[in-house]
Amino acid sequence: EAGVAQSPRYKIIEKRQSVAFWCNPISGHATLYWYQQILGQGPKLLIQFQNNGVVDDSQLPKDRFSAERLKGVDSTLKIQPAKLEDSAVYLCASSMGTDNTGELFFGEGSRLTVL
Amino acid sequence: LAKTTQPISMDSYEGQEVNITCSHNNIATNDYITWYQQFPSQGPRFIIQGYKTKVTNEVASLFIPADRKSSTLSLPRVSLSDTAVYYCLVDNQGGKLIFGQGTELSVKP
Repeated sequence: EAGVAQSPRYKIIEKRQSVAFWCNPISGHATLYWYQQILGQGPKLLIQFQNNGVVDDSQLPKDRFSAERLKGVDSTLKIQPAKLEDSAVYLCASSMGTDNTGELFFGEGSRLTVL
Repeated sequence: LAKTTQPISMDSYEGQEVNITCSHNNIATNDYITWYQQFPSQGPRFIIQGYKTKVTNEVASLFIPADRKSSTLSLPRVSLSDTAVYYCLVDNQGGKLIFGQGTELSVKP
């Protein structure tokens, strides 16, 4: 079974530029998550989708971050404009169920460096 | 929100049993306890999940006392490849999975 796919694996940009990350969850998984993991910290939830609807985006900096999940499958996370503090690994995860008691499957992440 | 507290780091030697304890004093009745493992440059990987008493799989055991205010992840006979960060999560009533700082386990030869 294919896992969660993310791209790009690495991205280096200058501050005030924009960047987009793509995630393809495991087929059939209803819930998709984007996490931000800063070096030395645990992952922080940015946004959670259930099918193509947003369940929780309370920690998403909406002035610069946006995310969408078209047709309830793939998802894109965009940052515009980027700040130095956005340097982190952006992890996408998916789960089959909708009640958070099931296993989350994570991708390998997209590492962003903002100069 | 059910917050978790776990040691920042632990050291062990190959072949030993490692027990990592997590405190979650405000756990709600419907909350499950889940542990994840994360290697450098990889996303977290599910290890085990439980609600009460004891759960065992091919990788680890999870011990949960009756009051459910803590849980202990037990890794039998660790090897160098078990060096990783281990996260304890409690599914809070808002359905939001929150990762803490985790426990960095270092296994030495």
